[in-house]
Amino acid sequence: AQSVAQPEDQVNVAEGNPLTVKCTYSVSGNPYLFWYVQYPNRGLQFLLKYITGDNLVKGSYGFEAEFNKSQTSFHLKKPSALVSDSALYFCAANTDKLIFGTGTRLQVFP
Amino acid sequence: EAQVTQNPRYLITVTGKKLTVTCSQNMNHEYMSWYRQDPGLGLRQIYYSMNVEVTDKGDVPEGYKVSRKEKRNFPLILESPSPNQTSLYFCASSLSGGGGPTYEQYFGPGTRLTVT
Repeated sequence: AQSVAQPEDQVNVAEGNPLTVKCTYSVSGNPYLFWYVQYPNRGLQFLLKYITGDNLVKGSYGFEAEFNKSQTSFHLKKPSALVSDSALYFCAANTDKLIFGTGTRLQVFP
Repeated sequence: EAQVTQNPRYLITVTGKKLTVTCSQNMNHEYMSWYRQDPGLGLRQIYYSMNVEVTDKGDVPEGYKVSRKEKRNFPLILESPSPNQTSLYFCASSLSGGGGPTYEQYFGPGTRLTVT
């Protein structure tokens, strides 16, 4: 079965430190890959996507993601975390439909 | 403003009482979808629609119905709600390409449904 895995339920990081939220996928073909963010009591918002080309994708709010085909990973990164980055983050892979991971809660401490 | 709207935002109902959650988008998107979000399970797709009059089942369609009579609207219908349908529901839309949503999806604000 095709799936997207986010191995960490929660990631804690101090403000100003770099952050990584992990994502691996198991889907056929060459999927499009997405990151979405969900703030409390809000719908999901698109952050960035990988279609093809450069393995490092830049997105909104200073986030970027690194695509690694051999490891089937698409980790979300940010060089310097902000308290306002605290939210729920979802990785997703598109094949013939969008498959979401279970989400990772990012907590940035002052 | 480009947006996806859902109504109602909160709903408490009883088992067996038919309900409809409306979804509307103003971006002329072809693709629309319904998801439910449950703790530890992420988002699971209920139904999706590639265009007007074209709908298909997602991963968890049991107990739900949809229709797509107009491009902008994609209502979710629960004919006989049960407590296991208590969840947070999201409608989403996107431009469509090929066999699936190759573009990012725009999500509505969510509908929190409680079935007692």
